[in-house]
Amino acid sequence: EAQVTQNPRYLITVTGKKLTVTCSQNMNHEYMSWYRQDPGLGLRQIYYSMNVEVTDKGDVPEGYKVSRKEKRNFPLILESPSPNQTSLYFCASSLYQQPTGELFFGEGSRLTVL
Amino acid sequence: GDSVTQMEGPVTLSEEAFLTINCTYTATGYPSLFWYVQYPGEGLQLLLKATKADDKGSNKGFEATYRKETTSFHLEKGSVQVSDSAVYFCALNAYSGAGSYQLTFGKGTKLSVIP
Repeated sequence: EAQVTQNPRYLITVTGKKLTVTCSQNMNHEYMSWYRQDPGLGLRQIYYSMNVEVTDKGDVPEGYKVSRKEKRNFPLILESPSPNQTSLYFCASSLYQQPTGELFFGEGSRLTVL
Repeated sequence: GDSVTQMEGPVTLSEEAFLTINCTYTATGYPSLFWYVQYPGEGLQLLLKATKADDKGSNKGFEATYRKETTSFHLEKGSVQVSDSAVYFCALNAYSGAGSYQLTFGKGTKLSVIP
């Protein structure tokens, strides 16, 4: 089954404790992206990647890191989480290097930073 | 820059009512337009799309027509069901220069359908 898989789905952590949210897709997609969803703000892009070893900042990259060492994986790293990073995070992928607008989304990872 | 404006929610309708969710956009060039749906506890999924003016996208009884003259892409359904309760996102994809495309989402409109 074609899918984007995120882990963990739910996480409660404390300020400053490094964490990684994994994202993996099995569709051989070129483009991958991370979004955060907050009430009243909709979806905001954090980082994206058009190819292996190619990543770029989205609209809200501060406090986050990403890597794309393999085509299928695109982990999101919070080196020192803070409470304002409490949010619902989505990973998404698309077939071509440039986004066509047709994204496949994971089920989301709800992160709470205390 | 490009932007998408959706009607503020939440929208509450009775089952079998007619649904319209307004979406207008600002973009240079000729964007493609999309509606995504997010059911409770799930990720977004593509509902329908239109790639050029006057195109009509349709899926699961939902329709939206790309209106270039009014820069709109309103989502409609003739008779909603309880299972349509979800958050709906309008989005556009447009060329942003230097060989790049940019996908822009609206803030989402929550729909609740009551029996």
